[in-house]
Amino acid sequence: GQQVMQIPQYQHVQEGEDFTTYCNSSTTLSNIQWYKQRPGGHPVFLIQLVKSGEVKKQKRLTFQFGEAKKNSSLHITATQTTDVGTYFCAGPITGTASKLTFGTGTRLQVTL
Amino acid sequence: KAGVTQTPRYLIKTRGQQVTLSCSPISGHRSVSWYQQTPGQGLQFLFEYFSETQRNKGNFPGRFSGRQFSNSRSEMNVSTLELGDSALYLCASSGGQVDPQYFGPGTRLTVL
Repeated sequence: GQQVMQIPQYQHVQEGEDFTTYCNSSTTLSNIQWYKQRPGGHPVFLIQLVKSGEVKKQKRLTFQFGEAKKNSSLHITATQTTDVGTYFCAGPITGTASKLTFGTGTRLQVTL
Repeated sequence: KAGVTQTPRYLIKTRGQQVTLSCSPISGHRSVSWYQQTPGQGLQFLFEYFSETQRNKGNFPGRFSGRQFSNSRSEMNVSTLELGDSALYLCASSGGQVDPQYFGPGTRLTVL
């Protein structure tokens, strides 16, 4: 079946350092969504990318969708303690639009 | 708009019992999806309902079932609970098939 893997599984950075998580799908995705889950919380939608090669920015966060629409990345510039959480990518299962496969997630820890 | 609400927030059951969880979507959203989140398996899709019909289904046994009412509220039921059913059960609503999902706070189910 369709698999979506993320690396790294865990990253610990000092505040002010940059952070990147990579998402790789075994199949082509029609779109990719990114979510953030704070410790003890629930996933919160961050962004959706649809076009091949698309790049979107939200303040210190930069999201990219690969040319082949099988991979994506999230880059955070100058991390802050508020960035702590687990970041998930998610894409529709092939043949469906609304049945999402979530990536394995990358847990980010930020210390002062 | 009010967000997605789930009740109850916490639940403790014993093996063999059954449980019903409830989800109220964002007003106007007709799609409701359910996910199971565990440390070992991550976020896994259970099923999706749209206009009272199950539109998509994940790879879970028949003990997991759901339904949606005419006001888009949804319930999921797990019968003959097993220890491995202990998890955070998340409900998410969406305005359309390719729209992002908005998650509720989840129901933490513990099976003893």
